[in-house]
Amino acid sequence: SQTIHQWPATLVQPVGSPLSLECTVEGTSNPNLYWYRQAAGRGLQLLFYSVGIGQISSEVPQNLSASRPQDRQFILSSKKLLLSDSGFYLCAWSTNEQFFGPGTRLTVL
Amino acid sequence: GEDVEQSLFLSVREGDSSVINCTYTDSSSTYLYWYKQEPGAGLQLLTYIFSNMDMKQDQRLTVLLNKKDKHLSLRIADTQTGDSAIYFCAAVNAGNMLTFGGGTRLMVKP
Repeated sequence: SQTIHQWPATLVQPVGSPLSLECTVEGTSNPNLYWYRQAAGRGLQLLFYSVGIGQISSEVPQNLSASRPQDRQFILSSKKLLLSDSGFYLCAWSTNEQFFGPGTRLTVL
Repeated sequence: GEDVEQSLFLSVREGDSSVINCTYTDSSSTYLYWYKQEPGAGLQLLTYIFSNMDMKQDQRLTVLLNKKDKHLSLRIADTQTGDSAIYFCAAVNAGNMLTFGGGTRLMVKP
C-alpha cells in the first residue's frame, strides 16, 4: 500500500531563517507530487507540483522553492522565511486520486 | 480557471443528516472529490464521483452530482460527533490538477 510521510510535524522558525520541509512517498512509482499551504481557518493553496524528477511547476510567486531530487521525494525550501509563510503545509501525491500527508505546521516568529 | 465554492459553516444535531454543498465552474471536470480534515491533521479522501455518475453511496455517505448545474453535495446520514471536521470539495480540471473549495466546517452538537 502507498504511504506518504512529512517531517517535521511542527516547526517554529525565526523570520529570516531558512526552511526545508521534506515529503516522501512509498509504494508507488512516478507519482505526481504537490505542495499546498493552508493558512489558519482557510482553504488550500497549491504552491508547487511536480510530474517527475527535476520537474517543478510553481503556481504562486513567492519566496519558497521546491525540488524533487528523487522520484518519491519532494522538498519545500526557503532561503529566508517571512512572517506570512506561517501556515500548515501539506504534501500530496496522485495517480488518479490525490492523497495527502499529515502536514507540517510552520510558525514563523 | 476552475472556481470551487462552498459554504463556510454547517451546524447539525447528532443523529440528524448533514448536507454539504459545493459548486464548481469547469464543466469539463472529470472527477469530483470530498476530503475530510480533522483539527491539526492532513486531508483524508472520503469519496469521489466520476462526472458521468449522478449518485454514489458509501455507507453513511451519499454524493449527488448535478452536472447541468455544476452542483455537488455530500450527505452524511446519522451524523456523529466524530464527523465534526472541515470538509473540502475538489474538482479535477483538464490538466489533471485539483482545485479545492474553501472548506465547510461541520459542527455536530450532542
